[in-house]
Amino acid sequence: GAGVSQSPSNKVTEKGKDVELRCDPISGHTALYWYRQSLGQGLEFLIYFQGNSAPDKSGLPSDRFSAERTGGSVSTLTIQRTQQEDSAVYLCASSLEVSGNTIYFGEGSWLTVV
Amino acid sequence: GQQVMQIPQYQHVQEGEDFTTYCNSSTTLSNIQWYKQRPGGHPVFLIQLVKSGEVKKQKRLTFQFGEAKKNSSLHITATQTTDVGTYFCAGPSTDSWGKLQFGAGTQVVVTP
Repeated sequence: GAGVSQSPSNKVTEKGKDVELRCDPISGHTALYWYRQSLGQGLEFLIYFQGNSAPDKSGLPSDRFSAERTGGSVSTLTIQRTQQEDSAVYLCASSLEVSGNTIYFGEGSWLTVV
Repeated sequence: GQQVMQIPQYQHVQEGEDFTTYCNSSTTLSNIQWYKQRPGGHPVFLIQLVKSGEVKKQKRLTFQFGEAKKNSSLHITATQTTDVGTYFCAGPSTDSWGKLQFGAGTQVVVTP
């Protein structure tokens, strides 16, 4: 596609429920990133993919968070048993390759846990 | 681990004035990138600097990469209300290949 596409754009969920956030990167981009941004805060790195593999999962906040990427394209970030502190904007980004390339962000998925 | 720091955290500017925001890395960077995030929006790429001492201009914005490739600055002249937003610098992480390490950002507020 023309840009990074994320869905849903907004999600309100009850505490304890699972949520799935989807990211469709720019066509041809091999690298895909997930960042989290709490209200008024900076960008917190979560995970990145090179192709379908995730060399660095160190940013995932807890074992309730997982991510996968299939076919070198679409990625899904799953949050199990959501907590109120998970409320944030989840930003996906992609780049042609890893290692210092410009990354292009999607518009984000705004998650609110009530 | 590697740290990327930005100062100031907040910048209140009168329309028409100039200001500079700074980015400092604890490690040498192969390149540095700047992004702008408008209120309610997502970060958008502005520019990438690669060479030591490099200076690039985009209209009223001037970006500079330090000689030691550990710091960078963004200078905006004749600030306009369209300059409102948060400006992030980012550099390749030395802790984790492939990760882009962002600074905390400088939030710019423009008073008409």
